[in-house]
Amino acid sequence: NFMLTQPHSVSESPGKTVTISCTRSSGSIASNYVQWYQQRPGSSPTTVIYEDNQRPSGVPDRFSGSIDSSSNSASLTISGLKTEDEADYYCQSYDSSNYVVFGGGTKLTVL
Amino acid sequence: QVQLQESGPGLVKPSQTLSLTCTVSGGSISSGSYYWSWIRQPAGKGLEWIGRIYTSESTNYNPSLKSRVTISVDTSKNQFSLKLSSVTAADTAVYYCATEGSGFDYWGQGTLVTVSS
Repeated sequence: NFMLTQPHSVSESPGKTVTISCTRSSGSIASNYVQWYQQRPGSSPTTVIYEDNQRPSGVPDRFSGSIDSSSNSASLTISGLKTEDEADYYCQSYDSSNYVVFGGGTKLTVL
Repeated sequence: QVQLQESGPGLVKPSQTLSLTCTVSGGSISSGSYYWSWIRQPAGKGLEWIGRIYTSESTNYNPSLKSRVTISVDTSKNQFSLKLSSVTAADTAVYYCATEGSGFDYWGQGTLVTVSS
C-alpha cells in the first residue's frame, strides 16, 4: 500500500496564502481522487475539497485544490487567510482496492 | 441533509468487544447513494479508516483491522453498526460514522470509547 505524507505543521499570517502538500509514496497521485478535510478542535472533520479540486457548496473560494504529477503530490491552498482557518487539515485518497488512505494531518496556525 | 449519530458504551474492558451503532436520519440507508463508513481518531492523532458497508453483503475493511472488525446494517432501523473484537488500550479513540460518496460527505459528532479495566 502507499502513504500520504503531509507536513506536521504550517503557519502563516492573516491575509496571506498558505499551501499544504500531500505526497503519495508510491503509485500515481492522479490514479485516485484526493479529498481534503478541515478539523477544528473538538469538532468532526468537514470536506473543503473533493475530487482533487472541487469545492462543496458553502466552502469559500479561498480554498483550492490541485494535483502535481511531477512531484506526485496534491496541494491545498488557502488564500486570504483568516483566523477561523486555524485547524488541522487531512488529505485522503484511495488505493487500488478502493480502500481509504488518510494523510497524517497538518496543523495550520494563523498568527 | 443526512445526519448521523453514534451511540454505544464509552468504556470497554480489554479483550472484550467494542460495539457502536450509527443512526441515520434525513436519508435512507438502503438508498444506494452512499457507502456507510467508520473512522476513528486517537486523542491528538490522525484519522484511521476502519471500514465500510454498502449493502448487507458488501463490506470492506482496513487490512490492519480486518481480523477484528465486523460492520453490519439494519435497514429496518436505518442504522449501521461496528463491532471490534479483542480490544486493547490502542483501540481507545473517538469513533466517527460517516457517509462516503465523493470522499466523506457527512460525519457524526463522534463518540469517545475508552478501553480500560
